[in-house]
Amino acid sequence: ILNVEQSPQSLHVQEGDSTNFTCSFPSSNFYALHWYRWETAKSPEALFVMTLNGDEKKKGRISATLNTKEGYSYLYIKGSQPEDSATYLCAFNSGSARQLTFGSGTQLTVLP
Amino acid sequence: DTGVSQDPRHKITKRGQNVTFRCDPISEHNRLYWYRQTLGQGPEFLTYFQNEAQLEKSRLLSDRFSAERPKGSFSTLEIQRTEQGDSAMYLCASTGSYEQYFGPGTRLTVT
Repeated sequence: ILNVEQSPQSLHVQEGDSTNFTCSFPSSNFYALHWYRWETAKSPEALFVMTLNGDEKKKGRISATLNTKEGYSYLYIKGSQPEDSATYLCAFNSGSARQLTFGSGTQLTVLP
Repeated sequence: DTGVSQDPRHKITKRGQNVTFRCDPISEHNRLYWYRQTLGQGPEFLTYFQNEAQLEKSRLLSDRFSAERPKGSFSTLEIQRTEQGDSAMYLCASTGSYEQYFGPGTRLTVT
């Protein structure tokens, strides 16, 4: 059984604050780590797919890092805006499975 | 192509009824996945297809559930004799490589 853990479960920040979330995953048999943003009534939106240890990816104010040896990834949001409010999901792909194993998500609320 | 679509978006049914959901993937994607998400949890894998072949099924997929992808394009997920525990968001995703693209889901409520 693969365990993917995310913390915190929920987070409220003020507009302009920077924040970060953690995703931990099995360090063995790693293939890829995915981050998604899921807003209510919309499709989960792919943010990043990360495959190499030490990977750092950036999209606008959002960035992510990956440590496959210790089994964790961080997602950072710089200068949070109300439109960043969503559930952020990470998902792990092992080398032996095509499907994704998801964490339970971090629900972010950015207060104006 | 505008992405993965799912129909219906919402379904309310009485316990014991059968329901069927449809997923239209991105046209050039050969792999299609079904996931289920319940409140407070992340999506959980149900099954996946490569073209028309169903290659893997989760133990979550009881014998009341069946999925098809008859021509390797759209897919259907049927739940027979629905139970209240089937209430969830059912998500479909498709991919041609690493990244899975998700539809908006079908929210099922069993009363």
